[in-house]
Amino acid sequence: DAKTTQPPSMDCAEGRAANLPCNHSTISGNEYVYWYRQIHSQGPQYIIHGLKNNETNEMASLIITEDRKSSTLILPHATLRDTAVYYCIVRDLHNTNAGKSTFGDGTTLTVKP
Amino acid sequence: EAQVTQNPRYLITVTGKKLTVTCSQNMNHEYMSWYRQDPGLGLRQIYYSMNVEVTDKGDVPEGYKVSRKEKRNFPLILESPSPNQTSLYFCASIRLSAGANVLTFGAGSRLTVL
Repeated sequence: DAKTTQPPSMDCAEGRAANLPCNHSTISGNEYVYWYRQIHSQGPQYIIHGLKNNETNEMASLIITEDRKSSTLILPHATLRDTAVYYCIVRDLHNTNAGKSTFGDGTTLTVKP
Repeated sequence: EAQVTQNPRYLITVTGKKLTVTCSQNMNHEYMSWYRQDPGLGLRQIYYSMNVEVTDKGDVPEGYKVSRKEKRNFPLILESPSPNQTSLYFCASIRLSAGANVLTFGAGSRLTVL
């Protein structure tokens, strides 16, 4: 799986959009981009994933650059409950190493009142 | 409720005393995996299983064993725990047949080895 790079921390004002970047410059054509978040020491929670097109669900939007070397997770109206560590990972669903998954250190997002 | 259940949630033990952390999922997921989380090191994969009777090493398998005799259960075994295995452990599962390959995590098990 391709390695990802994320900033260690970010702040965001409550009610504003939070834009969390992720670099995955070695991503291969079959690898999807996934985002998870972890609140305190709870189990990580799935947010969204995508291959090449932008995606949106009830939690967030995912913008993937045309060359697929980076992506941005957007929380449109951040609340205090969105304070968490956000992980970006890339995975190939079909190769023989599909079972392996590596999470980096993620980005600690702090939403401030 | 669809979930991944880990037990115990908290455990303090002593060096060398064998212990098992259980993981069970009620979603008929084919894939299950164990991770450990330590400060500054993110989530590191210990072992994973693509289906019953199939297990493979992750990035940090040393000192751990697993088994997958039933689809719903994936216990993590520490035959002779050592203090460097003090960590927060997570079990996760995926329904591979659903195609989205989304991990569902348990609530975590915090283990302290004295």
